[in-house]
Amino acid sequence: EVQLVESGGVLVQPGGSLRLSCAASGFTFSSYEMNWVRQAPGKGLEWLSFISGSGNPIYYADSVKGRFTVSRDNARNSLHLQMNGLRPEDTAVYYCATKTPGTSYFDHWGQGTLLTVSS
Amino acid sequence: QSVLAQPPSVSGAPGQRVTISCTGSSSNIGAIYGVHWYQQLPGAAPKLLIHDNTNRPSGVPDRFSGSKSGTSASLAITGLQAEDEADYHCQSYDISLSEWVFGGGTKLTVL
Repeated sequence: EVQLVESGGVLVQPGGSLRLSCAASGFTFSSYEMNWVRQAPGKGLEWLSFISGSGNPIYYADSVKGRFTVSRDNARNSLHLQMNGLRPEDTAVYYCATKTPGTSYFDHWGQGTLLTVSS
Repeated sequence: QSVLAQPPSVSGAPGQRVTISCTGSSSNIGAIYGVHWYQQLPGAAPKLLIHDNTNRPSGVPDRFSGSKSGTSASLAITGLQAEDEADYHCQSYDISLSEWVFGGGTKLTVL
């Protein structure tokens, strides 16, 4: 069974940094493209980043380009999102999601981790 | 402001049929990539409901169906049940933005 477990969400002050993690199990992690998607309180879903199974290529939404960095460790079946220069509008639940190569949809989602950016 | 437009809410009585629309443009829904739908139950993560316009993953009841025409898509739910009460999100890929894009989500209330 595919399992994705996000962690790292906390309360951070504006301008701060944080690293989110996603632990994967139940599938061959390196065979799947991974994504981060967030959902601000009471809002819709917003795609943030993509990383291929090998780690290259990587893509970002314009809203986070230059501030967020995605990485993966296939040996440890883990995905990470380094977030710098955090803003109050980054407050959201952050989900990791799998994507099968050659498709354009997100197969499986974690339960999410809440990041709050506030002073 | 989401790239794909969905109605904020829809409602229906048990047993009825409801549809949720998703409107885009020639750079997303009207392009070569499909439209996908996710169901998000209260307090839960999104779950893939329909992929590539009309396809249901294993385990999704056939009460759920999707369609696409031009730059719009629809999700239909027949035989509405109380457990269908959730938020529904459409998604596609935008070739102009080079980004995966979502609608703003539609809250389905079962009366």
